[in-house]
Amino acid sequence: QAQLVQSGSEVKNPGASVKVSCKTFGYTFTNYGVSWVRQAPGQGLEWMAWINVYNGYTNSAQKFRDRVSMTTDTSTNTVYMEMRSLRSDDTAVYYCAICGGSSGSCSGGIDPWGQGTLVTVST
Amino acid sequence: QSVLTQPPSVSEAPGQRVTISCTGSSSNIGAGHAVHWYQHLPGTAPKLLIYVNNNRPSGVPDRFSGSKSGTSASLAITGLQAGDEADYYCQSYDSSLSREVFGGGTKVTVL
Repeated sequence: QAQLVQSGSEVKNPGASVKVSCKTFGYTFTNYGVSWVRQAPGQGLEWMAWINVYNGYTNSAQKFRDRVSMTTDTSTNTVYMEMRSLRSDDTAVYYCAICGGSSGSCSGGIDPWGQGTLVTVST
Repeated sequence: QSVLTQPPSVSEAPGQRVTISCTGSSSNIGAGHAVHWYQHLPGTAPKLLIYVNNNRPSGVPDRFSGSKSGTSASLAITGLQAGDEADYYCQSYDSSLSREVFGGGTKVTVL
């Protein structure tokens, strides 16, 4: 059974960077893509970005394209998401999740999800 | 303003039926892209409830069902239970934006 375990909460100053890890278990790492979704306080789910773990291809929402990068480590089956130039409105819970479609896409839905990582951006 | 539009909230008594609409456009649901539904309980990770329009993952009760028609989709919950109180989100792919999109979410309250 696939499982994703994310790194712990972070507190960052505005302008800083944060790197969230997502360690995966229980499936062949390169068979599926991984999406990142966030939820700001009182807000809904917001899809951020996706990486095809097999070939490293990435896609992200326009608003994150210049600030978000994703990498993978096949030796530890871990996906990383780094966000730069943090602002107060980046305060949110960040989730990684497996994309269940063909060729690593999300066409089959997004599941399972990691437990979430709270990133707080504040002075 | 989400690409997919959901009602902010719905409420009904225990045992009753609720439906949640998800209205899109010709670049997402209307383009034939699959619709998926998630249940999100406070403090937990979202859970896939319905995938590819009307399919239930193993372990999801048949009280939950999904449908899709034209540029819209719906999630129905029958035999409403207290444990169904949660936020529900639809999700699809948008060809114009070239990315996944979520609805704004619907809070289900069991009266």
